[in-house]
Formats: sequence, structure tokens, C-alpha cells
Amino acid sequence: GDSVTQMEGPVTLSEEAFLTINCTYTATGYPSLFWYVQYPGEGLQLLLKATKADDKGSNKGFEATYRKETTSFHLEKGSVQVSDSAVYFCALRQEGNYGGSQGNLIFGKGTKLSVKP
Amino acid sequence: GAGVSQTPSNKVTEKGKYVELRCDPISGHTALYWYRQSLGQGPEFLIYFQGTGAADDSGLPNDRFFAVRPEGSVSTLKIQRTERGDSAVYLCASSLNRENEQFFGPGTRLTVL
Repeated sequence: GDSVTQMEGPVTLSEEAFLTINCTYTATGYPSLFWYVQYPGEGLQLLLKATKADDKGSNKGFEATYRKETTSFHLEKGSVQVSDSAVYFCALRQEGNYGGSQGNLIFGKGTKLSVKP
Repeated sequence: GAGVSQTPSNKVTEKGKYVELRCDPISGHTALYWYRQSLGQGPEFLIYFQGTGAADDSGLPNDRFFAVRPEGSVSTLKIQRTERGDSAVYLCASSLNRENEQFFGPGTRLTVL
């Protein structure tokens, strides 16, 4: 079945460092890809998404490009801030009725990011 | 406007007991999803409602788990004869329809002693 694999954490960086969190997926059909973020004490929030190959999602300085050839959707940010400390989840969703999907998200295990001042 | 709300925020129960977890979706959202997040894991899909009907319950782990959404708004997840392995954070999400962004509630942390 469909699945998402993301790099294990925790990841600890200094402020202004470059961030990459790797995410690869296994899926048939044409899924949409997402990054969700969970800040301490808060619920899951959509960070960015891409719905087709070569699309780039971006938000709050974060970017991720949908790479069908490598089945990847790596999250990047050029200069992290302390306020970016959170758990990041990569996810996919099958679109339409492909494979009987009803639009539920399939998540990776999450990567905890800690940014030190 | 109000987001997705879930009650209670925490629930501690004893093995074998029955529990109900409630989700209030965003007004007007027809799609509602339940997920379960165990410690150190990502959320896992349980059940999806479109309106009042359960369109997909393939993620429910066994027949101790049941969910309803009788009026197409509030949903209740019901767990019978709870087991220690049911301990997790139960998340609810709603969206305008299944193609749109899912908005998550803060979750209910269930602990089965």
C-alpha cells in the first residue's frame, strides 16, 4: 500500500542554519503531497502542498518540490529560526477515487526539529 | 472563525471501560476524518464521513471501535472494552469536501490504565 518515509529525528540546528528534512513516498497513481507542522502545544497545521509532479510548494520560507522521478518531497529552509522548532510531518493523499481512496492522508512518522539560538 | 474542537482534551480510563470522544468540525464542512496518533508515530487514518454517512471505515482497527455523525456535523468516536494499546492521541479533521484542505483539531489524549 501507499506509504511515506521521512528522516528520523531529532534534528538540532543553530539559528540561521540551512534545513533539509528528507521525505520519500511509495504510491500508485497521482497523489498530492503535503508537509504538516505541529508546534509545541498546538494542533497539526498545513505548511505547504504540491499536487502534481514538478510543483513547488512554499510557505513561511519553507519549500518542497514534488519529484516524481525520485518519489521525493524534501522540505527545505534557507535560514531557520527558533520559532521553527516543531515536529514536521510529510503526508500524501490519493486524489479522485484512485485505489478507492476517500481523501484520507497518509503520514510519515514525523521529524522533530529543535533550533537553538 | 472557530476551528475544529475536540472534547475532552484528556481522558484517563481503566481497561475494559467504554469511552466516547467528541469532535465539532468547522461549520459547513461536509467531510470529517478521524485519525489516531500513537507516541512517536504519525497520525493513522481511522474513518471518513461525508455528511452523515461513514464513506470509509477501513482504518478502524477492530469492531470495538465505532463512530457516528448523525446530523452531519458533530461526530463521536466510541471505543468499547478499551485496551491499553488503545492509548493514543485521537485527532479529528474536517474539510469543505474531501478535495480540500483538512483542518485538524487539538486532539484527545486517551490513556487506558
